[in-house]
Amino acid sequence: NAGVTQTPKFQVLKTGQSMTLQCAQDMNHNSMYWYRQDPGMGLRLIYYSASEGTTDKGEVPNGYNVSRLNKREFSLRLESAAPSQTSVYFCATTWGATDTQYFGPGTRLTVL
Amino acid sequence: AQTVTQSQPEMSVQEAETVTLSCTYDTSESDYYLFWYKQPPSRQMILVIRQEAYKQQNATENRFSVNFQKAAKSFSLKISDSQLGDAAMYFCAGGTSYGKLTFGQGTILTVHP
Repeated sequence: NAGVTQTPKFQVLKTGQSMTLQCAQDMNHNSMYWYRQDPGMGLRLIYYSASEGTTDKGEVPNGYNVSRLNKREFSLRLESAAPSQTSVYFCATTWGATDTQYFGPGTRLTVL
Repeated sequence: AQTVTQSQPEMSVQEAETVTLSCTYDTSESDYYLFWYKQPPSRQMILVIRQEAYKQQNATENRFSVNFQKAAKSFSLKISDSQLGDAAMYFCAGGTSYGKLTFGQGTILTVHP
């Protein structure tokens, strides 16, 4: 089992470009999350999906959109990338809301 | 709203010694749960230990244990018999409904041989 996978691992964008970060899990978990980690800070929640077909905003949703494609996949889209979105992005999954979250390996995104 | 505060940006310990990392957590929720995650240089987030707020007993996982003082809103992590592989960034995190976690800013732990 791969657990939680994220693609790509690294990405460099120019300001204004768009891209989609992909997350997939084979753990049969219901809930999925997107976090960002900036230097010197802890992770902050961008968006989450409590179950297939639902999404909701987290702490820092501005500039992002998400899609819960099916139970396994949860994507994060940057429509017009800005330098402030330079960060490491983590996807996480959990069976239920109060269960332990399991994290993917992260995507390092640089916006020039 | 929830806040998680880690007041120790960096800590160091000698191999085989014990170290305690501090965390305070504040929430208006009555039902919540707390975690310590480890992040080595590989960047992978690894669960160290979990504590449910309603449980009186402090959680223990091998060399890792917590001291959960609910009234004081304190949730510290004790690492016994420290090993070189314990060197990492450690994050305290708290969660309530919907699984929305709030993370502290992290503590970098250095282990000296």
